[in-house]
Amino acid sequence: QVQLVQSGAEVKKPGASVKVSCKASEYSFTAYYIHWVRQAPGQGLEWMGWINPKSGDTNYAQKFQGWVTMTGDTSISTAYMEVSRLGPDDTAVYYCAREGKSSYFFDYWGQGTVVIVSS
Amino acid sequence: SYEVTQPLSVSVALGQTARISCGGNNIGSKNVHWYQQRPGQAPVLVIYSDYNRPSGIPERFSGSNSGNTATLTISRAQAGDEADYYCQVWDSNIVFGTGTKVTVL
Repeated sequence: QVQLVQSGAEVKKPGASVKVSCKASEYSFTAYYIHWVRQAPGQGLEWMGWINPKSGDTNYAQKFQGWVTMTGDTSISTAYMEVSRLGPDDTAVYYCAREGKSSYFFDYWGQGTVVIVSS
Repeated sequence: SYEVTQPLSVSVALGQTARISCGGNNIGSKNVHWYQQRPGQAPVLVIYSDYNRPSGIPERFSGSNSGNTATLTISRAQAGDEADYYCQVWDSNIVFGTGTKVTVL
């Protein structure tokens, strides 16, 4: 059974950074892109970008370019998403999701990681 | 950038049919995917590429796409279908619809 297991909730102060992990299991980690999607409280889904775990190539939504970094560690089948210079508007649930084979849709999702930004 | 709009809410009587629209310019030329998100849970794929159901998704869920509107149809609605539903397309990047809250009366 394919699983994406994310790291636990975080509370950060404004201006800090946060790094969320997403550990994949029961499939070949390098064969599928991992995307990151966030959801602010009471709001809809917002796509942030993707990483190709095999090559390390990334593509970020324009809004997140320059302050979000996606990386991967193939030795432990884990993807990471780091947000720097956090502000209160970054309070959200952050999800990783696996893209189906060359399909542009998400067939498996992580359970979500709550990030709260508060002074 | 490409925009996709959904109604804020849809209500359906228990056992009846709910239809959720997803509007976009010539969306019929794109592949549309649908996700169900129950409160406090991660989204779940219920329809991909306009009308295909992943394994484990009931036949009560169906999809169509033509012109400027894609539609997710939930037949014989059950209490467990109460959730937010999002459509999603690819247009240079991933685009999500605004989301629709489905209430089963």
